[in-house]
Amino acid sequence: QKEVEQNSGPLSVPEGAIASLNCTYSDRVSQSFFWYRQYSGKSPELIMSIYSNGDKEDGRFTAQLNKASQYVSLLIRDSQPSDSATYLCAVNAGGSGNTGKLIFGQGTTLQVKP
Amino acid sequence: DAGVIQSPRHEVTEMGQEVTLRCKPISGHDYLFWYRQTMMRGLELLIYFNNNVPIDDSGMPEDRFSAKMPNASFSTLKIQPSEPRDSAVYFCASSLIDSARHEQFFGPGTRLTVL
Repeated sequence: QKEVEQNSGPLSVPEGAIASLNCTYSDRVSQSFFWYRQYSGKSPELIMSIYSNGDKEDGRFTAQLNKASQYVSLLIRDSQPSDSATYLCAVNAGGSGNTGKLIFGQGTTLQVKP
Repeated sequence: DAGVIQSPRHEVTEMGQEVTLRCKPISGHDYLFWYRQTMMRGLELLIYFNNNVPIDDSGMPEDRFSAKMPNASFSTLKIQPSEPRDSAVYFCASSLIDSARHEQFFGPGTRLTVL
């Protein structure tokens, strides 16, 4: 069973701090990795995509990918109370062909305290 | 551009009734996904389509669930008969597969309550 693992949290950080969210995956052939943000009562919103090893920065968000360790992370700098949400890690289901299917983790709840 | 559109946004029904959820994907997208989300089980993939053809329905929980995609701009998820344990938020998502990219965009969801 291909899996994506996340710590459910809650992860609590003070406003202005760096929040670090982590995710591991089991399928070595996965090539696409995503972070979704989901506010309570809302749908998942895509905030970051990463396809190559290393870091990818977008504003206050940095995604980090290490395929050898099967590890992907999301850093949120200068955390704001509005960042309080559940963050879902998603990985494409690899194997033969381009399936389009994503495997989602259970999500990490982030609380940013003013 | 309009995102993924789902209807209804909320549905309350009684056990045994038929429920039909509707989805309009983003124009031009060639993949459509149906998910169910509950606190206990998280986000579960039920079924997905590529170019209107069902590719993988292994997540459909029972024969009471069925899904169709008669054309590129419309899909339905039907539950007949509905049961209280079907209460959940049902999301539709769509994507355009471009080389190795698989970005999926979600609709607002349908919150289903079966009494």
